[in-house]
Amino acid sequence: KAGVTQTPRYLIKTRGQQVTLSCSPISGHRSVSWYQQTPGQGLQFLFEYFSETQRNKGNFPGRFSGRQFSNSRSEMNVSTLELGDSALYLCASSKGYPGLSSYEQYFGPGTRLTVT
Amino acid sequence: GESVGLHLPTLSVQEGDNSIINCAYSNSASDYFIWYKQESGKGPQFIIDIRSNMDKRQGQRVTVLLNKTVKHLSLQIAATQPGDSAVYFCAENSGGYNKLIFGAGTRLAVHP
Repeated sequence: KAGVTQTPRYLIKTRGQQVTLSCSPISGHRSVSWYQQTPGQGLQFLFEYFSETQRNKGNFPGRFSGRQFSNSRSEMNVSTLELGDSALYLCASSKGYPGLSSYEQYFGPGTRLTVT
Repeated sequence: GESVGLHLPTLSVQEGDNSIINCAYSNSASDYFIWYKQESGKGPQFIIDIRSNMDKRQGQRVTVLLNKTVKHLSLQIAATQPGDSAVYFCAENSGGYNKLIFGAGTRLAVHP
């Protein structure tokens, strides 16, 4: 069974630009969560999607947004990039169930975003 | 490789010894906890989980202990191997659907 895949793996952008990252969950998984990892702040939750609906959101500005498609694939978008957005962006998938809050989450390899 | 954290606490052990990695969590209402292992350049890898209605769970060479009284979680690795060298994170499910709050991480260094 294929794991979580993320594209692209590496990205370099300039301040002010926007970026879209993609995540394909494990087959059969309906929940996708996104996290930002930096050396200073560690791993921080961005948002979670289940059946194309955002169920939970972390404490990030509105420049960070996401969506989920009917095949459970997810994208996240960061607009007006800032230097501080440089990070490893990780997505995690889990089976997800309506009304059940927690289940094993499996992470992809991440997208390394560098903002110059 | 990519750094997953600056100034992480480091646990150094000899190959073959048992390792114990500790974690304090923040929310007494958290109902689910996970341990992850992250190697350089990779995403976190699921190791073991435990729900709040349990105090111990065992896997292959790993055991997780949960002490809700003092909000403490530990990961025990038996017969530690060089391949166990990585950064280990505990995470708690707090505040809703699949929202994991991660600890700062502990670097495990296994010496032959």
